[in-house]
Amino acid sequence: AQSVAQPEDQVNVAEGNPLTVKCTYSVSGNPYLFWYVQYPNRGLQFLLKYITGDNLVKGSYGFEAEFNKSQTSFHLKKPSALVSDSALYFCAVRALGFNKFYFGSGTKLNVKP
Amino acid sequence: DTGVSQNPRHKITKRGQNVTFRCDPISEHNRLYWYRQTLGQGPEFLTYFQNEAQLEKSRLLSDRFSAERPKGSFSTLEIQRTEQGDSAMYLCASSLEVGNEQFFGPGTRLTVL
Repeated sequence: AQSVAQPEDQVNVAEGNPLTVKCTYSVSGNPYLFWYVQYPNRGLQFLLKYITGDNLVKGSYGFEAEFNKSQTSFHLKKPSALVSDSALYFCAVRALGFNKFYFGSGTKLNVKP
Repeated sequence: DTGVSQNPRHKITKRGQNVTFRCDPISEHNRLYWYRQTLGQGPEFLTYFQNEAQLEKSRLLSDRFSAERPKGSFSTLEIQRTEQGDSAMYLCASSLEVGNEQFFGPGTRLTVL
């Protein structure tokens, strides 16, 4: 069975501090991994993806994520958080050869001034 | 604005009525997905089209749900005999290749009274 887990419903960080939003996955075979962000009253926006290659991928707005095959994780990171990063973040996975994408339940990121 | 449009943005209906939603993907995208999202949850896969062919349907998609993409461009999602449990945000997404990131529309919020 394929699934995604985001263990934290909410993450609170102070502006300027580093942030991490956690994601673990379970798939059969090689995973395609994605992060999306959802701002209030707006659709989901793509941040970054891992398909193959370098385990550290860089995306939009200064975000990056590290693929760790042994830990089946794809945590989202940013060195210095901004108040404007406050939003709902979703991790998604698709297994090679399958059409379905599985999304996590989301993590609300609160960045305080 | 991702370039994916959905209409209507909001729909309020009475239990037992039929509703139809429309999605216009990015024009060159041949992959199209429908998802359902309820409060506090991530998008839940409903169905997937490659051009006009519906290649995968979730078991969540009961006989009351049907989707079409007649000319490989826009798509419609119809729910017959709506139930209160159908109240949710219905999201459409499109992509150029199945491994690529999906571009999401703003969604149609359905409320069944």
